Amino acid sequence: SAVISQKPSRDICQRGTSLTIQCQVDSQVTMMFWYRQQPGQSLTLIATANQGSEATYESGFVIDKFPISRPNLTFSTLTVSNMSPEDSSIYLCSGKDGQSYNEQFFGPGTRLTVL
Amino acid sequence: KNQVEQSPQSLIILEGKNCTLQCNYTVSPFSNLRWYKQDTGRGPVSLTIMTFSENTKSNGRYTATLDADTKQSSLHITASQLSDSASYICVVSALNFNKFYFGSGTKLNVKP
Repeated sequence: SAVISQKPSRDICQRGTSLTIQCQVDSQVTMMFWYRQQPGQSLTLIATANQGSEATYESGFVIDKFPISRPNLTFSTLTVSNMSPEDSSIYLCSGKDGQSYNEQFFGPGTRLTVL
Repeated sequence: KNQVEQSPQSLIILEGKNCTLQCNYTVSPFSNLRWYKQDTGRGPVSLTIMTFSENTKSNGRYTATLDADTKQSSLHITASQLSDSASYICVVSALNFNKFYFGSGTKLNVKP
C-alpha cells in the first residue's frame, strides 16, 4: 500500500493570498488526484494531476484558481490562489495505480481556513 | 446521471450494537464499489472493495454486500466499538473511465 503525506497539515491564511499544498507519495503511482471536502460533506474532485502536462480539471474548477504541478510520479502540488473565505475547506491528495480496481490511497488532508 | 446516495446521513448507536449503512448508486457502466472509513481529521481508508461478481466481502467486523441488479450496497458493522465512530463513504467506480463517484457519507457515532 502507498503512504501519502501532505504539507502543511493545516493553515490559516488571509484573504487574497495564495497557499501551496504539497503531496508526497512513498511509491510511484500512475494517477494523482486533488479533492476538496467541505465541513460535513463528502469529497469533490478538483482535478487529476498529470505528470509533465497540464492537470485535468473538473467542472467548476479552473487552472487560474487551482494551479497544479506534478513533476514526477511521486509528488504533486496544489495552489489555492487569491483565497477567499469560501475556499476554507479540507484539501486531500490521493494516488492510484493502474486499473480502476486498484486501491486509491488518500493523504491526511490539509485543513485551510481563510479569514 | 451517475450518482451515489447514502443513508442514513447520521446514526447514533450504543457500543456493542450492530448497525447497517446503505448505499444506492446509478453509476454505469459499473466497475467496483468501495466502502471507506474516514476518521475526523484524517483521509479516507478503504475497508472493502467489490466488483460486479462479488456480493459479499468481509474485513473483520465490517461486512459489505452488493446487489448489482438493484444497484444497492450495504455495510454492516458488528459489535460496534467506540473507535468505529467515523464517517463511512461509499465510492463507485465507472468502468474504463477511472472516475470515482462519492456518496455524501454516513456519520456514525458510537456511544458508551
